[in-house]
Parts: sequence; structure tokens; C-alpha cells
Amino acid sequence: AQKVTQAQTEISVVEKEDVTLDCVYETRDTTYYLFWYKQPPSGELVFLIRRNSFDEQNEISGRYSWNFQKSTSSFNFTITASQVVDSAVYFCALSGGTGANSKLTFGKGITLSVRP
Amino acid sequence: IAGITQAPTSQILAAGRRMTLRCTQDMRHNAMYWYRQDLGLGLRLIHYSNTAGTTGKGEVPDGYSVSRANTDDFPLTLASAVPSQTSVYFCASRRTGSNEQFFGPGTRLTVL
Repeated sequence: AQKVTQAQTEISVVEKEDVTLDCVYETRDTTYYLFWYKQPPSGELVFLIRRNSFDEQNEISGRYSWNFQKSTSSFNFTITASQVVDSAVYFCALSGGTGANSKLTFGKGITLSVRP
Repeated sequence: IAGITQAPTSQILAAGRRMTLRCTQDMRHNAMYWYRQDLGLGLRLIHYSNTAGTTGKGEVPDGYSVSRANTDDFPLTLASAVPSQTSVYFCASRRTGSNEQFFGPGTRLTVL
């Protein structure tokens, strides 16, 4: 069975602070994929990143960076110099691959509030 | 149509009524999914379909049914709605060979 744990439920920071959102996963699959989605107050789900289990390179995209560590089964997401527009619910998700195993298992989400 | 559409956007429904949530995609994706989102629980899979003509149960299928008569449409039916089915429902689709799912805008359903 797959499981995604986002232990933080709510985080509040002041604008320009850095913030890290934690994600820990469990899976028996040797091939799997990890995702982060953003859900702004408007409600839609916005895809942020996908990482496969064979690629442990960290990734940076502007103010966003992701740290994937198989040794600790973690896929953490850092926002540098946070902005008010980053306020949203962030979901980490896990997929066991393609075909019948490609169903997404989501964490419960982290509500990030960035105050001006 | 571009991507995934869901209808209605929102609905208030009396308990015991039958309701069908519609989902249509124009990307010719083979796989489609229905999730419900509840506060503090994240998104949970209700039903899925890997290809037209096939469906499967997800994590929380009770009280829901789906059909997949063609590639584009994947309706979700609540035969007799109950208040615990108050939720936001998201439909998603995935292209064969890829694992990225594309989500619709969601349907907010309130069962009174």
C-alpha cells in the first residue's frame, strides 16, 4: 500500500521568509513517481513538479526547489523568499507508475499562509 | 473544449436525491479518475477507469458509481445522496504511458 504523510498541517510565514514543506512517503514499488500540486484559494489544482524514483537530483525552478532523498523517503519542497501569492494548500502525491498502478495517493495537504 | 471540464460547478442537493457529476476531456486520454477532497483528508480516489469500457474502485467507492462508455466522458453518479458526500469532487485524466494527471476545475457538492 502507498502512503504519503505531510506532517505539517498549517504554516504561517512573513513575506520574504523561506519555508520548507515536508513530505514523507511509503511504497513497495521500485519504480514510482512523486508530485507536488498547489491549490490556491480559487480551488483549482496546479501541477508543480514530477520526480521519478530513479532521479534523485534536486531541482530548482525560480523560487521553488525540491529535495528528493530516497534514503529517508522524503520529497521536500522549499519556497525561497515567499510571497503572498504563494498562499495556498500544497499537496504531495505518489504514483506507482503507469497503467493500473498510476493512481495518485495524496497527502492531506499543508496550508501555507504568507503574510505581508 | 480545452482540457477537462466538469459540470456543474456547484450544486446543493437534498439527501436521497440522485445526482450525476459530469466530466469530459478532449485530450483523448485513456485513463480517468474521480477524487473527492475533504478538509484535513486531502484528495481520495473514488473510482477510476484505465480505458473506455473498464472501471475500478478506488479508496472510497461506497455510494458512488461510474461508467465509461467512451474515451471522453466519465460521469460519477450518487444514487441516493447522503450528507457525508458533501465534498469537492475532482475529475482527472492521464495519457497512456505518462503518469501525470490533469485535473478538472472541480464540482462543489453540498448534500443537505
